[in-house]
Amino acid sequence: EVQLVESGGGLVQPGGSLRLSCAASGFSFSTYAMNWVRQAPGKGLDWISYISSSGSTTYYGDSVKGRFTVSRDNTKRSVYLEMNSLRAEDTAVYYCVRDWNFVFDHWGQGTLVAVSS
Amino acid sequence: DIQMTQSPSTLSASIGDRVTITCRASQSISNWLAWYQQKPGKAPKLLIYKASSLESGVPSRFIGSGSGTEFTLTISSLQPDDFATYYCHQYNSFSPTFGPGTKVDIK
Repeated sequence: EVQLVESGGGLVQPGGSLRLSCAASGFSFSTYAMNWVRQAPGKGLDWISYISSSGSTTYYGDSVKGRFTVSRDNTKRSVYLEMNSLRAEDTAVYYCVRDWNFVFDHWGQGTLVAVSS
Repeated sequence: DIQMTQSPSTLSASIGDRVTITCRASQSISNWLAWYQQKPGKAPKLLIYKASSLESGVPSRFIGSGSGTEFTLTISSLQPDDFATYYCHQYNSFSPTFGPGTKVDIK
């Protein structure tokens, strides 16, 4: 069974930093690209980053470009999201999502990031 | 970026009803479109990919169609488990985008 478990969310002040982790199991992790998608409270879905299976290619949404960095460690079956210069509008549930030919076929349960003073 | 719209934003329906949700793209995306179902407090679940292909394990009452800029998700006979919010998602480009969602609630 595919499992994606996010961690690292919490309350952070504006301008602060946070690192999210996603631990994967139940599939051949190193052969799949991964994404992060977020959802602000009561709002829709917002794709924010993509990382290829090897980690050599990354893409970001305009709202996080230059502030967020995605990485992965295939030996640890994990993907990470380093978030800097956090703003109130980054408050959201952050989902780790498996990428199957650019379709988001499996989602984690999400981790909540709240940016507030 | 490709903009996605959905209509209606909310839909009230009864058990057994045939329900149709429309998704439109701001430019042609061929058939690179997926549909997801999300229930409150839960992660989205993939229903349909490539506009009309049913994800494994998803009931056959979920039917996707369309190509280019206009797509539909039809639930042929609404069941109690189907009350949820539905999102379309285009993956034609390296900047994927979602529609704003359609909430299906009980009439």
